[in-house]
Amino acid sequence: QKEVEQNSGPLSVPEGAIASLNCTYSDRGSQSFFWYRQYSGKSPELIMFIYSNGDKEDGRFTAQLNKASQYVSLLIRDSQPSDSATYLCAVRGTSYDKVIFGPGTSLSVIP
Amino acid sequence: DVKVTQSSRYLVKRTGEKVFLECVQDMDHENMFWYRQDPGLGLRLIYFSYDVKMKEKGDIPEGYSVSREKKERFSLILESASTNQTSMYLCASRTDEQTGTSGSNEQFFGPGTRLTVL
Repeated sequence: QKEVEQNSGPLSVPEGAIASLNCTYSDRGSQSFFWYRQYSGKSPELIMFIYSNGDKEDGRFTAQLNKASQYVSLLIRDSQPSDSATYLCAVRGTSYDKVIFGPGTSLSVIP
Repeated sequence: DVKVTQSSRYLVKRTGEKVFLECVQDMDHENMFWYRQDPGLGLRLIYFSYDVKMKEKGDIPEGYSVSREKKERFSLILESASTNQTSMYLCASRTDEQTGTSGSNEQFFGPGTRLTVL
């Protein structure tokens, strides 16, 4: 079983819709969870992080964490074509030094 | 403005060559990382360093070595390049401290080096 799993996509949503990206992880002791956005040909950039169960909102982005289910998600409201990118889920487990990245989900927002 | 730079954006080498990839950060970060990114496999950690002259193996260290002689610089070395090392290589750095009230401990990535081994 891979340590961090995501649907590879591509996920296509119309402009203005809600995009829902999902991630599961295997290390039950994981402490911190990150969402990075990576545009084609560019390097990843952090857009959200969460470490407590529940929801965390930042503008159009909401991260949701359920540690019991070992599940973290990212919701993008009012999706824009500029949101089209690959979204990487990353998890810091019990080993503080290492952050494990998922394979990424490709999102395409259709105008 | 935080910055991580990598020595080359594109590199083409031949099988058997020794290859050096360099990464420099100007944020005084303690931790530095080398990843490779391949389609469908995501980011995989090759090596990381939490201090000058210190290094730890990541998940896929075989065929690679690293050097960290100065805090700001972390080099990845391919002793004898092979075609299966064709990939995008990303360097990242991170502080040990929590970032203000955000506590994100964000990793900052360089622009990447696309290496092709023929």
